[in-house]
Amino acid sequence: EIVLTQSPGTLSLSPGERASLSCRASQSVSSSYLAWYQQKPGQAPRLLIYGASSRATGIPDRFSGSGSGTDFTLTISRLEPEDFGVYYCQQYGSSPMYTFGQGTKLEIK
Amino acid sequence: QVQLVESGGGVVQPGGSLRLSCAASGFSFSSYGMHWVRQAPGKGLEWVAVISYDGANKYYEDSVKGRFTISRDNSKNTLYLQMNSLRAEDTAVYYCAKGRDGHNYAFDYWGQGTLVTVSS
Repeated sequence: EIVLTQSPGTLSLSPGERASLSCRASQSVSSSYLAWYQQKPGQAPRLLIYGASSRATGIPDRFSGSGSGTDFTLTISRLEPEDFGVYYCQQYGSSPMYTFGQGTKLEIK
Repeated sequence: QVQLVESGGGVVQPGGSLRLSCAASGFSFSSYGMHWVRQAPGKGLEWVAVISYDGANKYYEDSVKGRFTISRDNSKNTLYLQMNSLRAEDTAVYYCAKGRDGHNYAFDYWGQGTLVTVSS
């Protein structure tokens, strides 16, 4: 089973700053199989990025995804106040099996 | 627009059973794989089960195999999760989620969730 480890655990940044969130896999993951989600308190998760770098419908272009193999990054170029929340990476594996990282909490200063 | 509305959650004793439903609208339900994903209080996301667009293929996370059954009724645009032999560790908000396109590698729409509490 592939384990996804996200870092940092918590990120505190100010509006306008750039955020970089990391997702590291215990084994190589196909880029097609890597996604990112945002979850705000009391809400369901929202798909941001699929296929490692493709933005989902309606996602602002300040969100971007990159990476390959075992290292993937979600970047928010200029933080907006509404970007606070917890961010999860997720991968699809054989069997099939879907696993999530433990999450990165983004706090807006 | 795509809507997924879960129902059926509640409080159940350990060893008990519960059936969750997810009513779908706004898309061609019979064309997409569907999932259940859960989130224990204060914890992260955990995938539970997936069913193919036609109901022919079903897969489960190891801890629920033999206890949970995913099913669908395409004539009613509804997804189900039958949960038996419930344990305290099954306590969570259960979300239904739509597979993104035919490859089903990600979840592009989610319901608001329904809370299942397993407690005596």
